[in-house]
Amino acid sequence: NAGVTQTPKFQVLKTGQSMTLQCAQDMNHNSMYWYRQDPGMGLRLIYYSASEGTTDKGEVPNGYNVSRLNKREFSLRLESAAPSQTSVYFCASRAGWLAGGGETQYFGPGTRLLVL
Amino acid sequence: AQTVTQSQPEMSVQEAETVTLSCTYDTSESNYYLFWYKQPPSRQMILVIRQEAYKQQNATENRFSVNFQKAAKSFSLKISDSQLGDTAMYFCAFILDQTGANNLFFGTGTRLTVIP
Repeated sequence: NAGVTQTPKFQVLKTGQSMTLQCAQDMNHNSMYWYRQDPGMGLRLIYYSASEGTTDKGEVPNGYNVSRLNKREFSLRLESAAPSQTSVYFCASRAGWLAGGGETQYFGPGTRLLVL
Repeated sequence: AQTVTQSQPEMSVQEAETVTLSCTYDTSESNYYLFWYKQPPSRQMILVIRQEAYKQQNATENRFSVNFQKAAKSFSLKISDSQLGDTAMYFCAFILDQTGANNLFFGTGTRLTVIP
């Protein structure tokens, strides 16, 4: 039981390049999340998927797209990376309201992204 | 608007001593869950403790306990018998207890250093 896994762990991009961050969970959770963490700030929600087949914007969605590939996997795509997207990205999952509760979010190890 | 404030950017404590980290939050809702997450240098976000707002009894997990004051919207974390492995960033967070609520609101964190 690996919990929440993320790939890659670290990536360097040039401005304008694209990339996809991958996230998978093996806890049979319904809901999945992408957050970013910037220096001196807490985590901020980018996008989430409350259940398979649905996605919604969070607090800071601009410049990102997401795909809920199946119940296990939730990817985050940067179509044209900008230096302002330099950050640490965390994926999280939660059993979710469909499961009758399960409010705790469990986090992956994070992806460090540097955009030059 | 939902906000979380951690007014202590940095704290230190001697090994084996007790330390308390402060957190206040603001919401007009009455049902929610509160959390403390620990982020060691590895950057992994680790759940330390959680509290249901409808419960008056303060949560405890081994050396970690909280002082939850709902009327004051205060949720402090007490670490007893501090250990070197407790050195980390600590984030306070909460989520509303509503169907469809997905955003976990974070504070900006407190960096705790345990001194040998």
